[in-house]
Amino acid sequence: ILNVEQSPQSLHVQEGDSTNFTCSFPSSNFYALHWYRWETAKSPEALFVMTLNGDEKKKGRISATLNTKEGYSYLYIKGSQPEDSATYLCAFDLTTDSWGKLQFGAGTQVVVTP
Amino acid sequence: DGGITQSPKYLFRKEGQNVTLSCEQNLNHDAMYWYRQDPGQGLRLIYYSQIVNDFQKGDIAEGYSVSREKKESFPLTVTSAQKNPTAFYLCASSTRQSDSNQPQHFGDGTRLSIL
Repeated sequence: ILNVEQSPQSLHVQEGDSTNFTCSFPSSNFYALHWYRWETAKSPEALFVMTLNGDEKKKGRISATLNTKEGYSYLYIKGSQPEDSATYLCAFDLTTDSWGKLQFGAGTQVVVTP
Repeated sequence: DGGITQSPKYLFRKEGQNVTLSCEQNLNHDAMYWYRQDPGQGLRLIYYSQIVNDFQKGDIAEGYSVSREKKESFPLTVTSAQKNPTAFYLCASSTRQSDSNQPQHFGDGTRLSIL
């Protein structure tokens, strides 16, 4: 089992502030890195699937970068809003064939206060 | 609407009893997955299936069993051999990764508790 580390475990953000947090993963045998947002009482929702070193993806105020050589990804939230409160999960794709076998981190819980 | 349906939402198990968690998808996905979540831990893979009538063990398969008789359905049985079954269980599905690296789609989960 390969370790996927997310930090910090939780963070509190004032509404309007920007924030970022990290996902670290084994840099060898990289296939893909997934980010999901998991709001309370809902199912996890896919944000990004990233495969290329240097990849940057954006969805509204949320963006992510990927460094496969050093084994980390950052997720950024610009101008945080209360609706951004959720646990953000990253997952490392262990696939050696064409199917997604994911190893998840424990998540970063984000609380945005008005 | 297309999606994944898990039932029941809450389930209670007596000692020595097997229970089955349902997972149905109408997304026409080939692959389906079962995960377990415990407090403070990431989702851990129990079983996965890439095609009908075939499935593989994940990282924590002991005490669990699955079947994949239909593309749409991937039920998980928690057997009496699973000594610590209290957890939150999530089902997911996806297409082949070679199809543009598709993400996994998740159900709402089932919370299993021991009476």
